[in-house]
Amino acid sequence: QKEVEQNSGPLSVPEGAIASLNCTYSDRGSQSFFWYRQYSGKSPELIMSIYSNGDKEDGRFTAQLNKASQYVSLLIRDSQPSDSATYLCAVDNYGQNFVFGPGTRLSVLP
Amino acid sequence: DVKVTQSSRYLVKRTGEKVFLECVQDMDHENMFWYRQDPGLGLRLIYFSYDVKMKEKGDIPEGYSVSREKKERFSLILESASTNQTSMYLCASSVDRGEKLFFGSGTQLSVL
Repeated sequence: QKEVEQNSGPLSVPEGAIASLNCTYSDRGSQSFFWYRQYSGKSPELIMSIYSNGDKEDGRFTAQLNKASQYVSLLIRDSQPSDSATYLCAVDNYGQNFVFGPGTRLSVLP
Repeated sequence: DVKVTQSSRYLVKRTGEKVFLECVQDMDHENMFWYRQDPGLGLRLIYFSYDVKMKEKGDIPEGYSVSREKKERFSLILESASTNQTSMYLCASSVDRGEKLFFGSGTQLSVL
């Protein structure tokens, strides 16, 4: 059974700070990695996808992937109260479906 | 805009009832999925489908079945609802295998 692990949090950061969310996965063969944001009472929405080692930036968000360490992270720069949500890490399962981590709850304090 | 529609936002059922959860997508996606989400456990895959009349078991299929008679519609069936099936159920679709998921708004099911 593939596993995806995340710190459940809550992770609290002050407004304007960098929030760092981490995810580890068990299967070295995984190729696709996604970060979803889920506001309370809402469904998940895609923030970032990453497929290659290194960094991928999109606005205030940066995804980082290290396949050798089986580690993927999401950095949120200039955190805003509107970033307060649960962030889900998803890892592909032989290209058929995805295994999700339990999610990290982020709280950005004004 | 991409749209995945789940028929009910909230549902309350009795133990032993047969429950149908409906999901429709308007994006002509091949792949559809049913997840349940419980606090501390994240999203767990129940069933998925890559084509009409095709289904594959996910990680927790026990107590559930699915139906996909048309490409746009994927139904989750609880044959005999039990209290441990109280959960948030999320339907999702994707254009291809390994591609990002588009989620419906979810159905919060309570089994009493």
